[in-house]
Amino acid sequence: DAGITQSPRHKVTETGTPVTLRCHQTENHRYMYWYRQDPGHGLRLIHYSYGVKDTDKGEVSDGYSVSRSKTEDFLLTLESATSSQTSVYFCAISKLAGGPDTGELFFGEGSRLTVL
Amino acid sequence: QKEVEQNSGPLSVPEGAIASLNCTYSDRGSQSFFWYRQYSGKSPELIMFIYSNGDKEDGRFTAQLNKASQYVSLLIRDSQPSDSATYLCAVTGNQFYFGTGTSLTVIP
Repeated sequence: DAGITQSPRHKVTETGTPVTLRCHQTENHRYMYWYRQDPGHGLRLIHYSYGVKDTDKGEVSDGYSVSRSKTEDFLLTLESATSSQTSVYFCAISKLAGGPDTGELFFGEGSRLTVL
Repeated sequence: QKEVEQNSGPLSVPEGAIASLNCTYSDRGSQSFFWYRQYSGKSPELIMFIYSNGDKEDGRFTAQLNKASQYVSLLIRDSQPSDSATYLCAVTGNQFYFGTGTSLTVIP
């Protein structure tokens, strides 16, 4: 158990509404990631964080913002949700201090978001 | 060109057979290679990683890496119905790049 919890696990919302997904970890790891998973596209990185208030964009960051005010929490916000953002969102952590190239990722349970 | 390519399958093998899953990657500078298993509706979980050319064995699983050919494979020996899942190949550069996954079904 990597000590990662995501909330909410399921959410249905309407186009144009804001949505925030939360990722919480209990082990104080430095690196945290948000991915989305869609059929035919696999897992794609949205944003990642390498410390409190230190974040960077991934390959599919348009329409998303993130914040990390505490080591344990990494928030993903959709300012104005669109149907193309219907997806399963996974939070992940890297347990090694060196980040992406130095160890495996551990994933949360996922958050299924449907935008109508 | 995608960073990581996998045959989406589905791949079906009879119980007890060897399942062979393949992955190619585009970045010659990639250093670390991972295989994740994902059951339907669940999150990915790591089953193997490999850093050096050659084979790495862990129980029924063997990962094979050929950096010259930019090729990574996963062999599952004595396949079991519980191995039925989607297998994701991941390669690291400055971030993790995932393939789209290969769906494996082991037929009892």
